[in-house]
Amino acid sequence: EAQVTQNPRYLITVTGKKLTVTCSQNMNHEYMSWYRQDPGLGLRQIYYSMNVEVTDKGDVPEGYKVSRKEKRNFPLILESPSPNQTSLYFCASSSRKGTGSYNEQFFGPGTRLTVL
Amino acid sequence: DQQVKQNSPSLSVQEGRISILNCDYTNSMFDYFLWYKKYPAEGPTFLISISSIKDKNEDGRFTVFLNKSAKHLSLHIVPSQPGDSAVYFCAASAYYGGSQGNLIFGKGTKLSVKP
Repeated sequence: EAQVTQNPRYLITVTGKKLTVTCSQNMNHEYMSWYRQDPGLGLRQIYYSMNVEVTDKGDVPEGYKVSRKEKRNFPLILESPSPNQTSLYFCASSSRKGTGSYNEQFFGPGTRLTVL
Repeated sequence: DQQVKQNSPSLSVQEGRISILNCDYTNSMFDYFLWYKKYPAEGPTFLISISSIKDKNEDGRFTVFLNKSAKHLSLHIVPSQPGDSAVYFCAASAYYGGSQGNLIFGKGTKLSVKP
């Protein structure tokens, strides 16, 4: 089954304790992205990756890191989490074609993070 | 500055009637528009899209209309069903550099369809 998986689905942690949220897709997609969803703010992009070893900042990258060492995985790293990073996080992936046709993004189920 | 705006945070509709969800955008470079649907505790799922070369795209009960001059698009659901109750996100993208750019999302509209 084609899917995007995220782990963990729920996490409660404390300020300053490094954490990683994993994301994996089995569709051989080149493009992967992380979003956060907050009440009244919708979905905002944190980081994205066009392909292996190619990453770039989205709209709200502060406090986050990513890596793309393999095509299928795109972990989100919070080196020193703070309470304002309490949010619902989504990973997404899509194929990227240079033909001008857009390829829809497939989203993971989400990770609800609480930073105390 | 919000490039994609969904000005109605919520909408309530009776089952069987039409639901109309609206979205406005400010960036004239956007050339591809999508609607995503999100249920609680799940990730968003793609619903329907439209290219800027069209003004209408239909898929079953879902139709998206695009008015480029007004920078406005709308999603029509006819007839509405209780299972359509979800948050709907409008998203837009611009083509540049040989590929489609990142999606810019609106804040979402929560649709409630009452039996």
